[in-house]
Amino acid sequence: DTGVSQNPRHKITKRGQNVTFRCDPISEHNRLYWYRQTLGQGPEFLTYFQNEAQLEKSRLLSDRFSAERPKGSFSTLEIQRTEQGDSAMYLCASSLGTGFSYNEQFFGPGTRLTVL
Amino acid sequence: ILNVEQSPQSLHVQEGDSTNFTCSFPSSNFYALHWYRWETAKSPEALFVMTLNGDEKKKGRISATLNTKEGYSYLYIKGSQPEDSATYLCAFIEYGNKLVFGAGTILRVKS
Repeated sequence: DTGVSQNPRHKITKRGQNVTFRCDPISEHNRLYWYRQTLGQGPEFLTYFQNEAQLEKSRLLSDRFSAERPKGSFSTLEIQRTEQGDSAMYLCASSLGTGFSYNEQFFGPGTRLTVL
Repeated sequence: ILNVEQSPQSLHVQEGDSTNFTCSFPSSNFYALHWYRWETAKSPEALFVMTLNGDEKKKGRISATLNTKEGYSYLYIKGSQPEDSATYLCAFIEYGNKLVFGAGTILRVKS
């Protein structure tokens, strides 16, 4: 399967614990995005990378959230000291592009986080 | 703050019915609009990317139109089938890359 993959697909954790999610983009894609979807809402942008550089972060991304893409390939999203409000679907997407051009974003199946 | 609105929030139709959904978005600084279909436990699947005012796109029984001057897009499904059951998301593309999504329309087709 050459699509975007995300692991784990589901994560249940207790409040205060740290969690880390992984995203493997389509191999030739240089751009990688993280979105979060909470119940009844559409996905909301969190951050995006071009290669290994994190180019934009949403105000939604509090200090407890950190994302990395160390070699410009896979990415990790870590949430420290989880809170119940962090319960959501975390989606990763990738695309191929340069400059300000828009290219279609391909999504993974998401990681559903439940914080008890 | 960009606001993308979708209506209705949910829709239940019988197999064979035709249906349509609306996506409203800011008409200024339009760059592009994306429609996605998202089935439970799967990845959101791209349906259309629309860029030009008056665009009409079609894929099988699904089609979409775009009016950038008034800030809306319609998605039509002709002869709905149970496999069309999904959440349909539209996303406004800000200059560059960021997708700003509506809350989606949940479609359930009963056989």
